Amino acid sequence: SAVISQKPSRDICQRGTSLTIQCQVDSQVTMMFWYRQQPGQSLTLIATANQGSEATYESGFVIDKFPISRPNLTFSTLTVSNMSPEDSSIYLCSVEDPTGEDTQYFGPGTRLTVL
Amino acid sequence: EDKVVQSPLSLVVHEGDTVTLNCSYEVTNFRSLLWYKQEKKAPTFLFMLTSSGIEKKSGRLSSILDKKELFSILNITATQTGDSAVYLCAVVGGTSYGKLTFGQGTILTVHP
Repeated sequence: SAVISQKPSRDICQRGTSLTIQCQVDSQVTMMFWYRQQPGQSLTLIATANQGSEATYESGFVIDKFPISRPNLTFSTLTVSNMSPEDSSIYLCSVEDPTGEDTQYFGPGTRLTVL
Repeated sequence: EDKVVQSPLSLVVHEGDTVTLNCSYEVTNFRSLLWYKQEKKAPTFLFMLTSSGIEKKSGRLSSILDKKELFSILNITATQTGDSAVYLCAVVGGTSYGKLTFGQGTILTVHP
């Protein structure tokens, strides 16, 4: 498995501002993923972040709203830009199993509230 | 469109009961099915299933996959209050490599 940390664990932000969430993993991984879990909902994939290339976004998510960086094999950031109350969610990063299995391991999540 | 459906959506039992959680799926290019337990924010991994008919077991939890009928079940025997959580089923497949498509989850509440 992998040990993943996320910062911040929670935040309360004003609408119109931006928040950057950091995800750090204790081993080198090729693929990192960012998910959103809106209140009472299940997890939805925002984008896949591979080191050295542009992130790949799922339908309904765009780079201007959720820019992602992946500067090396152990770190990634997700920015939630120009926030509105609808962005209030838990944001989770995950990484692929280092052995190459399909399993993904999740970070502890960031609970974001937008006022 | 890829789809994962879990049932029931919620379940309330007493300690010692046995529960069965269901997951059905429609996914192109199916690779594997995963079960997670979510107590606060982070889903924790339980099982990965890739082959039909082979039961995976961990303590009181077990799971099996039927690739012909496109479903999986998660069994929990002798439930404890610590089993109270949301159980998530996710499928790896579709057109985005590595993408997990999640079901809605089953909220399990175990009363003492």
